Amino acid sequence: QVHLVESGGGVVQPGRSLRLSCEASAFTFSMYTMHWVRQAPGRGLEWVAVISQDGNEIHYVDSVRGRFTISSDISKYTLYLQMDSLRDEDTAMYYCTTKRCDAGGTCHFFEHWGQGTLVTVSS
Amino acid sequence: DIQMTQSPSSLSAFVGDRVIITCRASQDIRNDLGWYQQKPGKAPKSLIYTASSLQSGVPSRFSGSGSGTEFTLTISSLQPEDFATYYCLQHNNYPITFGGGTKVEI
Repeated sequence: QVHLVESGGGVVQPGRSLRLSCEASAFTFSMYTMHWVRQAPGRGLEWVAVISQDGNEIHYVDSVRGRFTISSDISKYTLYLQMDSLRDEDTAMYYCTTKRCDAGGTCHFFEHWGQGTLVTVSS
Repeated sequence: DIQMTQSPSSLSAFVGDRVIITCRASQDIRNDLGWYQQKPGKAPKSLIYTASSLQSGVPSRFSGSGSGTEFTLTISSLQPEDFATYYCLQHNNYPITFGGGTKVEI
């Protein structure tokens, strides 16, 4: 059973930093590539970042590149999102979610989601 | 970036209606598309992967079709629990992009 639990959200002033965590089961970390997706209040979904299982492939959406850093600690089965130089427009619910590819090469994107952690950037 | 244009942005329907939601990609994405359902205050839920494959546990009244640039999500007989917002997503290329969403209301 895949279980994802995000934490680390809160209220922060513009320009400050915050680090989000997503704790996953050992099963999740061995089988999945991990992503962050966010949703501003009353808005749609926006993909944020991805890190491969070995950490060698990382991608970001343009709006966060250079400010956010995705990482993972396999020993703790935890995914992170370090968010620096936060802006008002980063206010959103942040979800971690999974991608896996089966033996036949079919990939299942965003099959499992955490409950989300809310980040509010406000002075 | 690949743009995903979803339509309609909202619709009203009755229980038992057939509902069709469309998603158009700005370039060929093969079948690298998924559909997701989101209810208020909840995380999204995966319904369809690779454009037409039903996720395990999802009722068979949901179906997906299409390839290339045109895709549809069909709900064959709308049930009360289906009132939600639906999103398409392309994963053919980074950045991964979502459609703008379709809110299905009573």
